[in-house]
Amino acid sequence: EPEVTQTPSHQVTQMGQEVILRCVPISNHLYFYWYRQILGQKVEFLVSFYNNEISEKSEIFDDQFSVERPDGSNFTLKIRSTKLEDSAMYFCASSEAGWGNGYTFGSGTRLTVV
Amino acid sequence: GESVGLHLPTLSVQEGDNSIINCAYSNSASDYFIWYKQESGKGPQFIIDIRSNMDKRQGQRVTVLLNKTVKHLSLQIAATQPGDSAVYFCAENLLPDSGGGADGLTFGKGTHLIIQP
Repeated sequence: EPEVTQTPSHQVTQMGQEVILRCVPISNHLYFYWYRQILGQKVEFLVSFYNNEISEKSEIFDDQFSVERPDGSNFTLKIRSTKLEDSAMYFCASSEAGWGNGYTFGSGTRLTVV
Repeated sequence: GESVGLHLPTLSVQEGDNSIINCAYSNSASDYFIWYKQESGKGPQFIIDIRSNMDKRQGQRVTVLLNKTVKHLSLQIAATQPGDSAVYFCAENLLPDSGGGADGLTFGKGTHLIIQP
């Protein structure tokens, strides 16, 4: 079964440092997403990406965040200057048509900011 | 913004019993709902979805019920097994012809389903 792959599985970084979280969406999917989940809390939408541009972003996705699809397979989330409160699980997701059971999540990257 | 929520943070059931997990949503414009299962250390896994033009949809051992009048969604799991132990989230979105598609899902807070042997 096709999977969304995320690397690394765990990233530890110092406050103020830049981090890049990487995702390989399912190959025939057209919509890409990043979500985050602070420990013990609900999953929160960050950003969606379609046709090589951001489609929608939440209030969480401020100027410290950016996304990129540098080639035909990778989809990255960059946090420019990490804060302690950025510590969370970050999930990438992709979908074929924006909805439906093709909306698939990766296993996540646990980001710990110290 | 409006949000989707669940009634109980934890639900404990006996193995073999049926489980019912509830969710209340507040955005009356939502027309598409999904239940996800999240096991420890993993991403959300799709279980079942339902569009707002339906009241009920059945899958393998799972049934989703939608009551649009009171904006309530439930997930029924038949003959609960140890492998059903997880946190269950409901999520909502708009269908593409309602302006959704690229929009992010709005998740509720989750119910942790605990299976007693």
